[in-house]
Amino acid sequence: GAGVSQSPRYKVAKRGQDVALRCDPISGHVSLFWYQQALGQGPEFLTYFQNEAQLDKSGLPSDRFFAERPEGSVSTLKIQRTQQEDSAVYLCASSFRGGGNEQYFGPGTRLTVT
Amino acid sequence: AQSVAQPEDQVNVAEGNPLTVKCTYSVSGNPYLFWYVQYPNRGLQFLLKYITGDNLVKGSYGFEAEFNKSQTSFHLKKPSALVSDSALYFCAVREGGYQKVTFGIGTKLQVIP
Repeated sequence: GAGVSQSPRYKVAKRGQDVALRCDPISGHVSLFWYQQALGQGPEFLTYFQNEAQLDKSGLPSDRFFAERPEGSVSTLKIQRTQQEDSAVYLCASSFRGGGNEQYFGPGTRLTVT
Repeated sequence: AQSVAQPEDQVNVAEGNPLTVKCTYSVSGNPYLFWYVQYPNRGLQFLLKYITGDNLVKGSYGFEAEFNKSQTSFHLKKPSALVSDSALYFCAVREGGYQKVTFGIGTKLQVIP
């Protein structure tokens, strides 16, 4: 079956631009996670959704970062006024239920801010 | 706060030899522990998890991991390494009752033919 998909796969933004990153989770998966992975590091938790409810956004680094999942399926991570330190791979993962279940990861979106 | 340590940046092992990739963790409550693998140009893939029960858990591709509560460790093992096992391995922990999963920085496994 289809896995988690993310678009775009690559994004180059000029500093100060807004970007929107999309995640299509596996159908029927209740939980959705966003992570930021810097070069040479492990994924860093950003935020968690259960259906349409954003239950944990403790990892969002600043108020420039915003995520939504309005209908409990597709999710969008938006970054406003991008900065160079936002350059990273943004990973989306979904799981059938909560964090005790294994997560299925998308291929990621590589964001480069110039 | 929960944390994970993977003390080795890289592990080299000869094909056919046993391999171990180390992981230690810190949580306040009961841990949920995971191993994921990342092959070049591919997304993270789940290998195995420990929630409760037997300390030795078996996962995909012949991998297994042993949960040791007293040493707060969850080392990944395989009896006989394959060249195709060469990849980046991540250990992760979640504290029971919370959804946030914390990943280690990863260990690069290189299996030498």
